[in-house]
Amino acid sequence: EPEVTQTPSHQVTQMGQEVILRCVPISNHLYFYWYRQILGQKVEFLVSFYNNEISEKSEIFDDQFSVERPDGSNFTLKIRSTKLEDSAMYFCASSEVSSGLYSETQYFGPGTRLLVL
Amino acid sequence: RKEVEQDPGPFNVPEGATVAFNCTYSNSASQSFFWYRQDCRKEPKLLMSVYSSGNEDGRFTAQLNRASQYISLLIRDSKLSDSATYLCVGPASSGSARQLTFGSGTQLTVLP
Repeated sequence: EPEVTQTPSHQVTQMGQEVILRCVPISNHLYFYWYRQILGQKVEFLVSFYNNEISEKSEIFDDQFSVERPDGSNFTLKIRSTKLEDSAMYFCASSEVSSGLYSETQYFGPGTRLLVL
Repeated sequence: RKEVEQDPGPFNVPEGATVAFNCTYSNSASQSFFWYRQDCRKEPKLLMSVYSSGNEDGRFTAQLNRASQYISLLIRDSKLSDSATYLCVGPASSGSARQLTFGSGTQLTVLP
């Protein structure tokens, strides 16, 4: 069964450093997403990506964040200058083409646990 | 009002019991919902999607009541392996149907 994969599984970084989280979505999916989950809190939407551009983003997704699809398989989330409050689990997800009226099922990767010190 | 609201629990039930979770939503235009389960420190995994009045898959039944704006999940003959946090998920009020909003989750523990 195809699945979303993410690397690394854990990342520890110093405050102010840049981190890049990587994801390989399911191969025939065209929509890609990043979510985050701070420990003990709910899953929060960050950004959606389609056709090589951001489709939607939340208020959390400020100028410190960027996404990219550098090749035909990877989808990355970059945090330019990490803050303590960026410590969270970051989930990548993907879905097939959505009609826009109905939400297509999104399949989640195992996540990258980011710890900012 | 929160976009998606769930009873956080915890629900502690004996093996074999039937348990039901409710979830209310604020966006009356929402057309589709999901129940995901999340094990501790793991990713959300799709349990069921709900596009019309309801859906059934084995021991799991989800129902959607548009008039009252709530979704329910019923688990029959619960197993130890059903212990997890159950997440009610729907589209965000702002943005398109692709921007999902998650409830805080309902924690279930099935006891032997």
